[in-house]
Amino acid sequence: AQSVAQPEDQVNVAEGNPLTVKCTYSVSGNPYLFWYVQYPNRGLQFLLKYITGDNLVKGSYGFEAEFNKSQTSFHLKKPSALVSDSALYFCAVSHLNTDKLIFGTGTRLQVFP
Amino acid sequence: NAGVMQNPRHLVRRRGQEARLRCSPMKGHSHVYWYRQLPEEGLKFMVYLQKENIIDESGMPKERFSAEFPKEGPSILRIQQVVRGDSAAYFCASDDRGYYNEQFFGPGTRLTVL
Repeated sequence: AQSVAQPEDQVNVAEGNPLTVKCTYSVSGNPYLFWYVQYPNRGLQFLLKYITGDNLVKGSYGFEAEFNKSQTSFHLKKPSALVSDSALYFCAVSHLNTDKLIFGTGTRLQVFP
Repeated sequence: NAGVMQNPRHLVRRRGQEARLRCSPMKGHSHVYWYRQLPEEGLKFMVYLQKENIIDESGMPKERFSAEFPKEGPSILRIQQVVRGDSAAYFCASDDRGYYNEQFFGPGTRLTVL
């Protein structure tokens, strides 16, 4: 069965510092991996995706993620955090022949000024 | 190009009533997905529909819940005889097909059952 794990409920980081939000997945075959962000009382906004190719994927708002097949990870990163990055971040996976997204439980990112 | 639209944004129902949630996909998108987000939890897949077809309803509760995506008009998620445990945010997403395509999400409908 496909699954996604986000081991941290919350990540705290000071503004200007690099941030990492962790995600690991379990799926047979090649995964399609996504990151979404959710601001309070809003829907999810797409950040980036990995389908194939370069393991480092660049997305919206300066975010990037690195696909690591050996570690089955897809961690979200940003070199310099902003207070406005504070939100709930979800990692998701889909798989060939499966259209639905399987979401992790989310990680709340808090960036302090 | 308008995004995914959902209405109402907030819905309050008493136990035993019916809730009808509507979703209009992005223009050009013919695939609709419904997800439920319980408080302090991630999103759980409910159902995937194309026009006039239910493709995958593996996440739908067996009773009281139904979904449709008619040839004309929005997709409807219907919950009959609501119970307090149905209180959640219900999100609709759409894409233009492709397992690797990102889904675009609506703002959600927050259902509160009194």
